[in-house]
Amino acid sequence: DAGVIQSPRHEVTEMGQEVTLRCKPISGHDYLFWYRQTMMRGLELLIYFNNNVPIDDSGMPEDRFSAKMPNASFSTLKIQPSEPRDSAVYFCASRPSTGVGEQYFGPGTRLTVT
Amino acid sequence: GQQVMQIPQYQHVQEGEDFTTYCNSSTTLSNIQWYKQRPGGHPVFLIQLVKSGEVKKQKRLTFQFGEAKKNSSLHITATQTTDVGTYFCAGPRGTYKYIFGTGTRLKVLA
Repeated sequence: DAGVIQSPRHEVTEMGQEVTLRCKPISGHDYLFWYRQTMMRGLELLIYFNNNVPIDDSGMPEDRFSAKMPNASFSTLKIQPSEPRDSAVYFCASRPSTGVGEQYFGPGTRLTVT
Repeated sequence: GQQVMQIPQYQHVQEGEDFTTYCNSSTTLSNIQWYKQRPGGHPVFLIQLVKSGEVKKQKRLTFQFGEAKKNSSLHITATQTTDVGTYFCAGPRGTYKYIFGTGTRLKVLA
């Protein structure tokens, strides 16, 4: 298996622009998580899905952030409009509903908003 | 809300020395997970502990879950340069949501 796939790996954009981050979870995994990592705030859970349905979005910082999962093999995290404080590494992770509970993280997208 | 704190925040050790990071939760945990993140990489699952007082070993790594299930530790014996990275503990909030600790960044000096 290729593991969790994220794109792009790096994104540099100007303040006010729309940013879309993409994730392909591991096939067969029922749960998908979006995290944000910064030096100041550490690793924060933004939202997670179960069987493509958003279950908990309490970590989404504000209305500028939105996430979708149109099918079992694809999810997006969108920021519109982007701000410099959104600069961070965004990770997608997936896990099956059975087993130990191990989350498999993707390589991350490093977002820089200037 | 639930918080998961780790100490120390940073640790520099000479290669061959031991290393320990501690994880403390403000609430009782049903289980605790540990992850390792190499510099520039992504978190990778190491282990999950479930039972009170549980101790698990993976080669030079020893993981322990406290009797009260509110704290945990990771001990590395005789560190190697390959141990460099940030070690996170993560505690569940609900069934599938995990709160990650603040992390301990380990540097190993050769």
